[in-house]
Parts: sequence; structure tokens; C-alpha cells
Amino acid sequence: DAEITQSPRHKITETGRQVTLACHQTWNHNNMFWYRQDLGHGLRLIHYSYGVQDTNKGEVSDGYSVSRSNTEDLPLTLESAASSQTSVYFCASSRLPGTMNTEAFFGQGTRLTVV
Amino acid sequence: RKEVEQDPGPFNVPEGATVAFNCTYSNSASQSFFWYRQDCRKEPKLLMSVYSSGNEDGRFTAQLNRASQYISLLIRDSKLSDSATYLCVVLRGGSYIPTFGRGTSLIVHP
Repeated sequence: DAEITQSPRHKITETGRQVTLACHQTWNHNNMFWYRQDLGHGLRLIHYSYGVQDTNKGEVSDGYSVSRSNTEDLPLTLESAASSQTSVYFCASSRLPGTMNTEAFFGQGTRLTVV
Repeated sequence: RKEVEQDPGPFNVPEGATVAFNCTYSNSASQSFFWYRQDCRKEPKLLMSVYSSGNEDGRFTAQLNRASQYISLLIRDSKLSDSATYLCVVLRGGSYIPTFGRGTSLIVHP
């Protein structure tokens, strides 16, 4: 079965370190998204991509970057981790715009703690 | 004003009750609408899409009112297992980015 997986599931890192969270999907979806979820804020969009070599900033992109070198993967990098980036991170993917069934499918999440 | 707004609740109801949630959205160009369910500390999962004519899936009924820019979810005969957070999701017109409300918490008690 097609799926979307995130790794690691849990991560503790120190302030100032660079951290990369992996997201891999086998749906062959063009659209991929990264969100963070914090109490009181719901899911907020960090970055998104509509296809290979395409990346775009979301509403809370400061301190984060992504790259899309193939259809399956959209790694999220925290350039210099800060305590404010302690959160649960979800990756999602969906089909091309304009097609039926454009719902997003989510990975299981990565719980990141910055100490 | 947030793009997608929901009453956070919690809605605390007995088993067997009927409960309804509303969600309003601000972008009139929004084209697709969904309800997701999220259990504690887990990923959101699609509950149902919301179609213009309204749609039903077992005990769940979703409605869309484009004129007033809101969608609703009705749960009949609530089960203990329905306890979760229900997320309203709107795809922005033209960009197809899923935009989430903060969620409505439902607690079903015996």
C-alpha cells in the first residue's frame, strides 16, 4: 500500500544545531507540505512544494528550509534549532491541483524537542 | 481574522447524543472542503470530504453553505470512540494548500 512516512519519530537536539526531518511518500503525489502543530495554534504551514525543484514558503517559514530533488521526498531542515521550534511536525502529500480527491494524507509526525 | 475558524469546545456529550460542529472560512474562492479527525498526539486522518449538495457517511453528515461560507459536521448516535478533535480543512482557491482550523474537541462519555 502507498504511504507517507516520517523519520525520526522523536528527536531531541540542542540549540544551534542543524536538524533535518525526513518525509517520504509512495503515493506519487506532486504536492507535499510541512506543518507544525502547537497547543493553541493548530496546524500551521511551514513550506510546501508542487513538484520537483519547486518549493514555497508558508506562514511560519523563518528558520526552516526544504528541498525537492525527487517526487518522493521533502526533507525539512532547521538551520539552527531554537527552543521556539520545539513542536510536533507533520508532513503531508496530495494529488495535483485540478484532479478529483485532493485530500491530503499525513505522516505519523515527528516530535522535536530543542533543549 | 483567521482563514478557517472553529469553536474549540470541548463538546462534552453522552453516548447516543447528536452533536454538530460548524466551521467558517473567509476566502470565498475556496474550492474544496474536508473534515479530518485527529486523535491525541497522532496524525490527522480524513473523515470525509464535503460536497456542495451535502453528503452522508453512516452516522456522519457534512453540509456546505457557500453563501454564508460555513461547513458543518453532524454526528448522530455518538460513540465513545468518536472522542477526538475534529479539524475543518479548506483548500484555498487556486493554490490547493490545505488550511486548517484549530479543531473542535469532542468528548463522548458513558
